[in-house]
Amino acid sequence: AQKVTQAQTEISVVEKEDVTLDCVYETRDTTYYLFWYKQPPSGELVFLIRRNSFDEQNEISGRYSWNFQKSTSSFNFTITASQVVDSAVYFCALSEAGGETSGSRLTFGEGTQLTVNP
Amino acid sequence: DTGVSQNPRHKITKRGQNVTFRCDPISEHNRLYWYRQTLGQGPEFLTYFQNEAQLEKSRLLSDRFSAERPKGSFSTLEIQRTEQGDSAMYLCASSSTTGAEYGYTFGSGTRLTVV
Repeated sequence: AQKVTQAQTEISVVEKEDVTLDCVYETRDTTYYLFWYKQPPSGELVFLIRRNSFDEQNEISGRYSWNFQKSTSSFNFTITASQVVDSAVYFCALSEAGGETSGSRLTFGEGTQLTVNP
Repeated sequence: DTGVSQNPRHKITKRGQNVTFRCDPISEHNRLYWYRQTLGQGPEFLTYFQNEAQLEKSRLLSDRFSAERPKGSFSTLEIQRTEQGDSAMYLCASSSTTGAEYGYTFGSGTRLTVV
């Protein structure tokens, strides 16, 4: 069974601080995908990043960066120089690779509420 | 294409009534997923379709819930005899066949409140 744990329920920072959101996952699959989504108060899930299990290179996109470590089953997300607009709930999610006949459903963590104060 | 569309955005219903939600996926996507998200929790998988075939259902999908995807285009999710515990956000997502590899697109959800 797959499981995603986001131990930080809420984080509050002051604008311009760096913040790291933790994600630990469990899976028996050797091929899988990890995702981060942002959910602002309006409710839609906004895709941020997707990584496959064979690519452990860290990724940077503007102020966002991701650290994937298979050895610790972690896929952490760092926001550098946080801004008020970053305030949202962030979800880490895991999916098996799937294929032509298997579903590749997403298993989500419980989310981390990030509040960035001015 | 304007992405995944869900209607209505909000629905308030009395306990015991039936409700139906609609999801219009991205037209090129042959997979469609339904998730339920309760307050303070992450979305939980309910069911998914590949084209018109419903291929997997979660244990969360009780016999009061039914989903259809006629002709492999839009999908409907019906809840019969609603209960207060059904109050949640119902999210729809679509993807190509190998969803994990190419990603999922989510709609804005339908927020159900059962009073």
